[in-house]
Amino acid sequence: NAGVTQTPKFRILKIGQSMTLQCTQDMNHNYMYWYRQDPGMGLKLIYYSVGAGITDKGEVPNGYNVSRSTTEDFPLRLELAAPSQTSVYFCAGRGVDSPLHFGNGTRLTVT
Amino acid sequence: DAKTTQPNSMESNEEEPVHLPCNHSTISGTDYIHWYRQLPSQGPEYVIHGLTSNVNNRMASLAIAEDRKSSTLILHRATLRDAAVYYCILRDPGAAGANSKLTFGKGITLSVRP
Repeated sequence: NAGVTQTPKFRILKIGQSMTLQCTQDMNHNYMYWYRQDPGMGLKLIYYSVGAGITDKGEVPNGYNVSRSTTEDFPLRLELAAPSQTSVYFCAGRGVDSPLHFGNGTRLTVT
Repeated sequence: DAKTTQPNSMESNEEEPVHLPCNHSTISGTDYIHWYRQLPSQGPEYVIHGLTSNVNNRMASLAIAEDRKSSTLILHRATLRDAAVYYCILRDPGAAGANSKLTFGKGITLSVRP
């Protein structure tokens, strides 16, 4: 039982490049979330999903897109990377009555 | 969304109890109080949660005020490994749609002195 798995762990992008941060869970969670965490700061919610086919914006969605075609996967897409998107990204999932389970994060640098 | 407020930081001595406060004056009747902690260079992890009664588990205790407008996470004997950022959030298990989003503040940074 791997829980919530994020790939890659680290990535360096050039300005204007695009990439997809992968998140997959094997706990049958309905709810999934993407957060970003800037140095010394708390977590900011980017997007969330309450089930397959349903996604919604969080606090800081600009510059990102998500999809939820299956219960297991919740990828986060950056289309035109900008230095302001340099951050650590965390994916999390939960069931209706269970706590949030977080992945180990993806550290992204945009230069 | 009902919000929580926490002090920015606290210090403790090793092997002494630590009381981490959280204010949530606009809490609704169906909101549970959840605590998470984030160790350096790791993702947050669940600590404890409660609704009205005080709760204990192997990691910590949660004391909830009678009016539910505040709560305190209690670490009975702080160790160096407890140095982390502690987040208090509110969650309604029956929330649907936009109310399912879970937002975190900056949390309390706990330092533990040897």
